[in-house]
Amino acid sequence: GENVEQHPSTLSVQEGDSAVIKCTYSDSASNYFPWYKQELGKGPQLIIDIRSNVGEKKDQRIAVTLNKTAKHFSLHITETQPEDSAVYFCAASYPGANNLFFGTGTRLTVIP
Amino acid sequence: EAQVTQNPRYLITVTGKKLTVTCSQNMNHEYMSWYRQDPGLGLRQIYYSMNVEVTDKGDVPEGYKVSRKEKRNFPLILESPSPNQTSLYFCASSFGRAREQYFGPGTRLTVT
Repeated sequence: GENVEQHPSTLSVQEGDSAVIKCTYSDSASNYFPWYKQELGKGPQLIIDIRSNVGEKKDQRIAVTLNKTAKHFSLHITETQPEDSAVYFCAASYPGANNLFFGTGTRLTVIP
Repeated sequence: EAQVTQNPRYLITVTGKKLTVTCSQNMNHEYMSWYRQDPGLGLRQIYYSMNVEVTDKGDVPEGYKVSRKEKRNFPLILESPSPNQTSLYFCASSFGRAREQYFGPGTRLTVT
């Protein structure tokens, strides 16, 4: 099965700075890599995802990069704002998998 | 509004007292899943269902049961809860397995 590792477990940044969260995966067949944001008291919500046929995807201040050779992918948040404070989960999945394999989460705190 | 609902949101119970956490979705999703979230361990899948009357074990199924008699509902049953089942539980649904999942708001369970 797939194993996803996520770092760091906690991250504090000043408002306006960038934040980067990194994940590695073990199964070279994995081809789908979503990122979820979990705000306090809520369930995780998909914020961006990338498939293995592209190396980078952007959506306003959020971007995800994928390095298939090294089997790692990263979430980049630019110009961070206090509302970006949350727990972020990466995940991976391969064709035929019955579920997403989640990382252990990163608690991001944006300091005003 | 498209959503996944869970009830109850909070539950404190005693060891051995059977309980059910309900989950319902209004998006006509085939795939539904239960996760538990524990500090440092991320989201771990308990059970999943590909469609009505089709269920299977996830990574941590011990001590749990599920049923899928209707497409919209996927209850989680703890027949004899134990303190190690104290956790935050999430139900999720999606059109396809292992793809964009919509999570419920969570149920915080405490077993004393």
